[in-house]
Amino acid sequence: EAGVAQSPRYKIIEKRQSVAFWCNPISGHATLYWYQQILGQGPKLLIQFQNNGVVDDSQLPKDRFSAERLKGVDSTLKIQPAKLEDSAVYLCASSFPGPQETQYFGPGTRLLVL
Amino acid sequence: AQSVTQPDIHITVSEGASLELRCNYSYGATPYLFWYVQSPGQGLQLLLKYFSGDTLVQGIKGFEAEFKRSQSSFNLRKPSVHWSDAAEYFCAVGARGSTLTFGKGTMLLVSP
Repeated sequence: EAGVAQSPRYKIIEKRQSVAFWCNPISGHATLYWYQQILGQGPKLLIQFQNNGVVDDSQLPKDRFSAERLKGVDSTLKIQPAKLEDSAVYLCASSFPGPQETQYFGPGTRLLVL
Repeated sequence: AQSVTQPDIHITVSEGASLELRCNYSYGATPYLFWYVQSPGQGLQLLLKYFSGDTLVQGIKGFEAEFKRSQSSFNLRKPSVHWSDAAEYFCAVGARGSTLTFGKGTMLLVSP
């Protein structure tokens, strides 16, 4: 079974530029999550989707971050414009809703904003 | 609000020695608990999980963890550490259909 796929793996941009990350979850997983992991910290949830609907985006900085999952499968996270403090690893995870729901993570996208 | 505390930022263990990584959580209901491992430049890999039932859970790579409700703890253990276990370990708490809250992680260093 294929795992969670993410691209690109690395990205370097200058501040005020825009960037987009892509995630393809495990087949059949209805729930998709985007996390931000700043160096030295644990992952922090940005947004949670159930199929193509947003469940929780309370910690998403909506003035610069946006995310979509139009067809309920893959998802895109965008930052526009980027700030220096956005340098982090962006992790995508997916899960199958159920009584023992478990999140499985992709390899992450490492973003450096200069 | 839920929270996770991993009191040790770094731990150094000799190869072949036993390991225990501490995790304390705060959660209003019965928690789901997880341990993930992250090697340099990689994503998070699930080591083990607890939902209910037997409080001692077995995971991959010879790891186990014990849920102690009275102490709000879910410590990770391994009887004999291998050099390949060097990585960062994250404890997380959540519930069905909810997001996970992670600790800040413990970096494990293995000395020869």
